[in-house]
Amino acid sequence: NAGVTQTPKFRILKIGQSMTLQCAQDMNHNYMYWYRQDPGMGLKLIYYSVGAGITDKGEVPNGYNVSRSTTEDFPLRLELAAPSQTSVYFCASTLRGPLDSPLHFGNGTRLTVT
Amino acid sequence: GNSVTQMEGPVTLSEEAFLTINCTYTATGYPSLFWYVQYPGEGLQLLLKATKADDKGSNKGFEATYRKETTSFHLEKGSVQVSDSAVYFCALNTGGFKTIFGAGTRLFVKA
Repeated sequence: NAGVTQTPKFRILKIGQSMTLQCAQDMNHNYMYWYRQDPGMGLKLIYYSVGAGITDKGEVPNGYNVSRSTTEDFPLRLELAAPSQTSVYFCASTLRGPLDSPLHFGNGTRLTVT
Repeated sequence: GNSVTQMEGPVTLSEEAFLTINCTYTATGYPSLFWYVQYPGEGLQLLLKATKADDKGSNKGFEATYRKETTSFHLEKGSVQVSDSAVYFCALNTGGFKTIFGAGTRLFVKA
């Protein structure tokens, strides 16, 4: 029972490089989310999706893009990496909205941009 | 806007000590309140929740009561174990897709 799987676990990028953080869930959850966790701060919502083909911005979407072509996958794209994007990124999913269903998190991707 | 404030850590306790982690919130409407726990190297997982005033959420010996009059949701456990060492996050949701998280409180339990 894998739950939410994120890859890679760690990555170091140079300024201006691009990369895709992968996220997959096998629970048939409709809702998926990307959060970032900065030291001493709570998690901030970057983007979310309520189903395949539907995505929307969260609190801090600038510098990121997402797509949701299948129910299982929700990749997060960084086009021009900046030091401000150094963070730990968590993907999560819920069966229904987060008021009614607990968030299921992956183990995170630690990204450093230098 | 909506927000969650938690006591700063780290909190260091000896095994079998009593634990309290304070959490207060600001929200419009009637939020649901949550405690999530993050063990080393893992993602967050739901520990307990409460959906209305005076509800008590409980799980694994942890408890928290939704206090509307003091806008608080303090986490308590009567006797902590080394395995409880983790980061604890208080959170709220008022019905949208955005769950608001506190900054987290790191707990160390010494044997």
